[in-house]
Amino acid sequence: EAGVTQFPSHSVIEKGQTVTLRCDPISGHDNLYWYRRVMGKEIKFLLHFVKESKQDESGMPNNRFLAERTGGTYSTLKVQPAELEDSGVYFCASSHLGLTPGDNSPLHFGNGTRLTVT
Amino acid sequence: AQKITQTQPGMFVQEKEAVTLDCTYDTSDPSYGLFWYKQPSSGEMIFLIYQGSYDQQNATEGRYSLNFQKARKSANLVISASQLGDSAMYFCAMRAYRDDKIIFGKGTRLHILP
Repeated sequence: EAGVTQFPSHSVIEKGQTVTLRCDPISGHDNLYWYRRVMGKEIKFLLHFVKESKQDESGMPNNRFLAERTGGTYSTLKVQPAELEDSGVYFCASSHLGLTPGDNSPLHFGNGTRLTVT
Repeated sequence: AQKITQTQPGMFVQEKEAVTLDCTYDTSDPSYGLFWYKQPSSGEMIFLIYQGSYDQQNATEGRYSLNFQKARKSANLVISASQLGDSAMYFCAMRAYRDDKIIFGKGTRLHILP
């Protein structure tokens, strides 16, 4: 099966510009997550979709970030306007729905989008 | 609050030696899962091993084993007979089942020396 794919792999933009990141999860995975890793720091949770609904967006840093998952398939993460501190690697991950205790379904990660804001 | 702590920012290990990467966690949820991921220089996140909080035995996957000490809230990753290809960042992660997201530690960069 095809894995999680993310586009673009790299993006360099100037402060104040807009960038849109895309994630295509594994087919049939209802859970879709966005994470971000700033250099030298932990991988931080941003938000979680179940199908097209936002289950948890507690990790979104501020209202400059907008995530969508229309139709419950691919997802986009838009940063507008971008700031210097938004630089980092943005990971998307997906997993099956219906997680229960003992379920060892790991998150399947994409290769990430490296965003550099100058 | 849930938390994952990896206290080793970097480690250097001679090839063929065993290596232990430390991970401690904190959660009030009695039901949780612990994961280890490997991130090589190419950037992808590779799932290595899983341990459930109710599992009686330590998880093993090939050269990877998880030293799970529930009372101490530790879930150290042990890599036996290390190889040059093991050089990478390693992340410990946890999912508490009342909270459907996985949280990560800061990672440990492992360098295997020839």
